[in-house]
Amino acid sequence: DIQMTQSPSTLSASVGDRVTITCRASQSINSWLAWYQQKPGKAPRLLIHKASSLQSGVSPSFSGSASGTEFTLTITSLQPDDFATYYCQQYKTYPWTFGQGTKVEIK
Amino acid sequence: EVQLVESGGGLIQPGGSLRLSCAASGFLASSYHMTWLRQAPGRGLEWVSVIYSGGTTYYADFVKGRFTISRDNSKNTVYLQMNSLRAEDTAIYYCARVVTHDSGWIPFDYWGQGTLVTVSS
Repeated sequence: DIQMTQSPSTLSASVGDRVTITCRASQSINSWLAWYQQKPGKAPRLLIHKASSLQSGVSPSFSGSASGTEFTLTITSLQPDDFATYYCQQYKTYPWTFGQGTKVEIK
Repeated sequence: EVQLVESGGGLIQPGGSLRLSCAASGFLASSYHMTWLRQAPGRGLEWVSVIYSGGTTYYADFVKGRFTISRDNSKNTVYLQMNSLRAEDTAIYYCARVVTHDSGWIPFDYWGQGTLVTVSS
C-alpha cells in the first residue's frame, strides 16, 4: 500500500497567516493527489485534486503544488473559517490512502 | 442539487450484519463511480470500497470477503452490505462520488452526511 505522511500533525496559526501543510507519498503517485478540509461533525470537503487543480467553488486562497513525491497545500491568508483538519489522499493505486491529517488551530 | 444521503447505520453485535444505503439525487449515480469511506471516532479517513459505473468493484483489504458494494440503478442508490462485523468496524460511514474525465479522475467531489455504525456487545 502507498503510505501518505502528513506534517505537521497540528499547526497553530493566526488569522492572516500563510500556512503550509506537507504530504509525502511512499512511492510515485504522479499527480493523483487530493486535499480535503474537514470540520468537526461534518463530512470532508474536496479542495484540490490532481495535486494543484482547485475544485469548483473553493476559495483561491487555497493552492496545491507537487515536487516528486512531496505535495504541499498552501493557504495564503488564513481566515476564521479555515480552522479545520486537512487530509491528503492518493488515488493512483488501490487501496486509496489518506494522510493522518493536519489540525489547524487558532494560535 | 447533488445530494447523497446515507442510512442503515446503528448498533450491532460483533459478528452481525448491516446493510448501508446511499441514496443519490440531482445526478444519475449509474454514470459515476461511487465509493464508501469510513472514519472511526476521533480518527482519520479510510477508503473502504468503490463500484465503477460499469460494475467493477474494489475493496480495502480490511473488508475484503466481509463487505460487498452494489448498486440499484433503478433506485439511484448504492449499498454496502457488511457481514461478520468487528468492533474495529465502528465508524461513521460516508458515501462519495468519483467523477471520471478523459483528463483524469476527481475523487470524492460530493459526500453524504454519514451514518454511524457501532459494533459492540
